[in-house]
Amino acid sequence: SQTIHQWPATLVQPVGSPLSLECTVEGTSNPNLYWYRQAAGRGLQLLFYSVGIGQISSEVPQNLSASRPQDRQFILSSKKLLLSDSGFYLCAWSVRGFANTEAFFGQGTRLTVV
Amino acid sequence: KNQVEQSPQSLIILEGKNCTLQCNYTVSPFSNLRWYKQDTGRGPVSLTIMTFSENTKSNGRYTATLDADTKQSSLHITASQLSDSASYICVVSVLSGGYNKLIFGAGTRLAVHP
Repeated sequence: SQTIHQWPATLVQPVGSPLSLECTVEGTSNPNLYWYRQAAGRGLQLLFYSVGIGQISSEVPQNLSASRPQDRQFILSSKKLLLSDSGFYLCAWSVRGFANTEAFFGQGTRLTVV
Repeated sequence: KNQVEQSPQSLIILEGKNCTLQCNYTVSPFSNLRWYKQDTGRGPVSLTIMTFSENTKSNGRYTATLDADTKQSSLHITASQLSDSASYICVVSVLSGGYNKLIFGAGTRLAVHP
């Protein structure tokens, strides 16, 4: 069966510090991978998606970047965190190429920038 | 502009009662509509997924309906339980550039009281 792992679960970082959140998927190959952010009381906002190794598309301009060094690994990074980067970050995967397949989410990372 | 709006924002019901959550969307081209349940601080978990041709789909005590003409969906919860307390998120999918672009509603926060 497929599983998605996301870590850490919570993170408190000072303004200006770097960020690295990691997401890995097991039990599937060539998945589409996604990073979302959820602000309090708001819907999930797509930050990045990837359809393959090294292929990253950004949905919104921001202080963050993403990388996919391996097929089932997706990393969200920042060189210098801003207060506005605080939020709940979710990684997700779906089967590539099928419109009506499920999207599966990780357990999320609560990031607080202080 | 692709949008998904949910109502009500929050809802309190007594255990054992039924409730209905609403979702209106303006998304094109429509691919499918999903309802997710999100417990506080966790990733969303899928309840149902419906394509254009499906009017209703059930998953245990959860029944989702879809009216593609009016672009409305509802999620009906029967005989609510305390464990139903969560946010319920309506998500509409657009097939874009080879991947499912998911448009998220802000969710309805449901509290079931004993």
